[in-house]
Amino acid sequence: DTVLTQSPALAVSPGERVTISCRASESVSTLMHWYQQKPGQQPKLLIYLASNLESGVPARFSGSGSGTDFTLTIDPVEADDTATYYCQQSWNDPTFGAGTKLELK
Amino acid sequence: EVQLVESGGGLVQPGRSMKLSCAASGFTFSNYGMAWVRQAPTKGLEWVATISYDGSSTYYRDSVKGRFTISRDNAKSTLYLQMNSLRSEDTATYYCTRDPTMGTSYVMDAWGQGASVTVSS
Repeated sequence: DTVLTQSPALAVSPGERVTISCRASESVSTLMHWYQQKPGQQPKLLIYLASNLESGVPARFSGSGSGTDFTLTIDPVEADDTATYYCQQSWNDPTFGAGTKLELK
Repeated sequence: EVQLVESGGGLVQPGRSMKLSCAASGFTFSNYGMAWVRQAPTKGLEWVATISYDGSSTYYRDSVKGRFTISRDNAKSTLYLQMNSLRSEDTATYYCTRDPTMGTSYVMDAWGQGASVTVSS
């Protein structure tokens, strides 16, 4: 299985820029996707194929990367962005990262 | 509006069976691949199984192969997950998800609210 390692929990202030990282144990090309899960809710697709913004997702969210290193950027962060963010690869059997919990100061 | 509504969860003893259903609406169900993803309490997400738009192809994670069966009824716009020989480690919230392609891109662009499954004696 392809293991995805995410950055640990982050705490930022509203209005700041935040980057959440995800490193794959092998190259997944650009077959990387990002999801947001708010407490008590189901996950929601934010970014697909590394850098494509899902319809209806604010342009404050962006994704980049290829191969083994990927980032999700939120700029600027808003209070409503408090959530856990997961990366997921689809190069082979799908695997998810452990999640990065984003808290607002 | 795309809607996925899971049902059939609950408490089940180890070794027993349970069948989850997912009623889809708001899109042409027969045009999309579908998948189940689970999340153990306070844990991360784990892909379980995927089925192609017409049911001709199915894929499973190793730990559920031979125990779980994913299926669909396109006439009823419903996805199923038959779970046999359940183990305590299968305890999780099970999400029904949609693949945005007819095949298996393994992207999940819509999620249900989830069905809770607890395996315990």
